[in-house]
This record gives sequence, C-alpha cells and structure tokens, in this order.
Amino acid sequence: AQSVTQPDIHITVSEGASLELRCNYSYGATPYLFWYVQSPGQGLQLLLKYFSGDTLVQGIKGFEAEFKRSQSSFNLRKPSVHWSDAAEYFCAVGPLNFGNEKLTFGTGTRLTIIP
Amino acid sequence: GAVVSQHPSWVICKSGTSVKIECRSLDFQATTMFWYRQFPKQSLMLMATSNEGSKATYEQGVEKDKFLINHASLTLSTLTVTSAHPEDSSFYICSADSGWAQYFGPGTRLLVL
Repeated sequence: AQSVTQPDIHITVSEGASLELRCNYSYGATPYLFWYVQSPGQGLQLLLKYFSGDTLVQGIKGFEAEFKRSQSSFNLRKPSVHWSDAAEYFCAVGPLNFGNEKLTFGTGTRLTIIP
Repeated sequence: GAVVSQHPSWVICKSGTSVKIECRSLDFQATTMFWYRQFPKQSLMLMATSNEGSKATYEQGVEKDKFLINHASLTLSTLTVTSAHPEDSSFYICSADSGWAQYFGPGTRLLVL
C-alpha cells in the first residue's frame, strides 16, 4: 500500500531564510508526487507536481521540489521565505494512471514564519 | 485555470436536518471528483470518489446513506449530509480531477447545532 510520511509536524523559519520540507513516500512503482499548500480555513492549492523527466520541479510562489528515487523522497524547498508562506503544507502521492485514482496525503507540516 | 468552487462556504444547521454542498469545476470538465473531510489540525480524510454518471465509491467506514453523493454532470458534484448530527460538524473539501492533477475547492465549514 502506498504511504506518505512528513516527518516534521511543525517548522519555524525566520523570514528571508531558506526552507526545506521533507516528504518520503512508499510506493510500488514510480508515482505522481504533489505538494499542496493550505492557508487557514481554505482549500488546498497545488504548488507543484512531478511525474517524469527532470527530477527538479519548479512550482508556483518560488517553490521547487526534488525527486530522489534512491531515497524515496520529494522534499520541498524555497530559498527565501516570506511571511505569506506561513501555512500548512501537504505532500501527496498518486498512481501513474492518475485519473480517477485517489491521492494519499501526508499528515502535513505547519510552517510558521518569524520576523 | 483549473478553478474549483464550493458552495456554501459556511453553513450552520440544526440537528436532524440535511445539508447539501456543491462542488463545481469552473473551467474544466471533471469525470472524477473527490470529497474529503478535514478535522482541525489534521490531514484530509478521503470520504468518497464521485464519478460522473455512476455511483460514488465510498471509503471504508463512511456511511453512504448518510453522505449522499451525486455527480450529474462533468462540472458538478454534490454532497448531501442527511440527518446531520453535531459529530458531522467538520470542514468538507472537494477536489476535481483535471486529468493532470486534483484541484481543490475552498472548503465548506459545517456546524451542526
């Protein structure tokens, strides 16, 4: 069965500092991988997605993620965070025949930004 | 592009009444939509997969007679919480599959008194 682990429940970063959010997955083959962001009381917004090709994926809002097959990881990074990045971040995995198959979500990492 | 709306965003109802939540894909067609429930400070729990023109597929432990799902068109799925009770109070989020990714609605907060 597929699973997603986000080891960090809560991360605090100073504004302007770099950020890395960890995500590890367990899946029988190469999956589709996603990062979503959720602001309080809101739905989820897709930041980026990986399904093939270049293992470094660029997303919106200056985020990027790197797929490392050997480590079963898909960590999210941003070189310099802004106060508006404070939110909950979810990593998710889906099957290659994505279309009507469900996503498996991690438990989320809450990001706090301090001045 | 890839915008999903939900209506209402907020609903308060009395115990025993039914509440309908709509999920619409505004600029794309979605054969498949998903309904999630999210408890405070927790991840999303998939309730059911809604397929246009066919019956929804419910996750284990989700009562299909309590959470009625209808996906009558390629842009609209509805979730009806029947005979709502206070324990049904939660944040309900839908998503629509664009064929490239799932796009999420803004969520509906339900409070049952």
